[in-house]
Amino acid sequence: QQQVKQSPQSLIVQKGGISIINCAYENTAFDYFPWYQQFPGKGPALLIAIRPDVSEKKEGRFTISFNKSAKQFSLHIMDSQPGDSATYFCAASYSNYQLIWGAGTKLIIKP
Amino acid sequence: KAGVTQTPRYLIKTRGQQVTLSCSPISGHRSVSWYQQTPGQGLQFLFEYFSETQRNKGNFPGRFSGRQFSNSRSEMNVSTLELGDSALYLCASRPTADTEAFFGQGTRLTVV
Repeated sequence: QQQVKQSPQSLIVQKGGISIINCAYENTAFDYFPWYQQFPGKGPALLIAIRPDVSEKKEGRFTISFNKSAKQFSLHIMDSQPGDSATYFCAASYSNYQLIWGAGTKLIIKP
Repeated sequence: KAGVTQTPRYLIKTRGQQVTLSCSPISGHRSVSWYQQTPGQGLQFLFEYFSETQRNKGNFPGRFSGRQFSNSRSEMNVSTLELGDSALYLCASRPTADTEAFFGQGTRLTVV
């Protein structure tokens, strides 16, 4: 199966809280897992990406956790800020194949 | 380094017409992908071109077609436009298949 299932569809978090978005995949051939952030009126932009040889990758307040055996990966946003309010997409890919996208999560950070 | 450029930014067409959208990838990027995004929806993959060859194709009717030129610039064509084709069409380029995709701002197509 080529699907990537993303949850939740929408998320409201208080400023300073932790935002968590989850994705699950079926195809064990996937070896590249990026997260994209999209603001209204803009194209998506890469936030952070991970490959299956590591279980966690951190860049500033953003962390990807990867569980190869469960075929799941998640995005954690620490100390969430109003400027983080956006739509987040997870994706997966493997060599010479297109990115398979999750359905997106609309994140709202309440001040 | 210039980003991905899509033209035009906005377009209004009448049902039944055809439209051509253009995408100039980042210099050196040989892969160009096209996506359709409708309000509240995710990214629906249309097709991907690599070195002028269509490498992958999504589940869209034959009215949607594309091509890539030797300079990696790509065009997408939609014939016999329907109201449901109204969407933001995004183009993304990347140097190879399993690397970061860089998106353009998109072309907002409205079919009336």
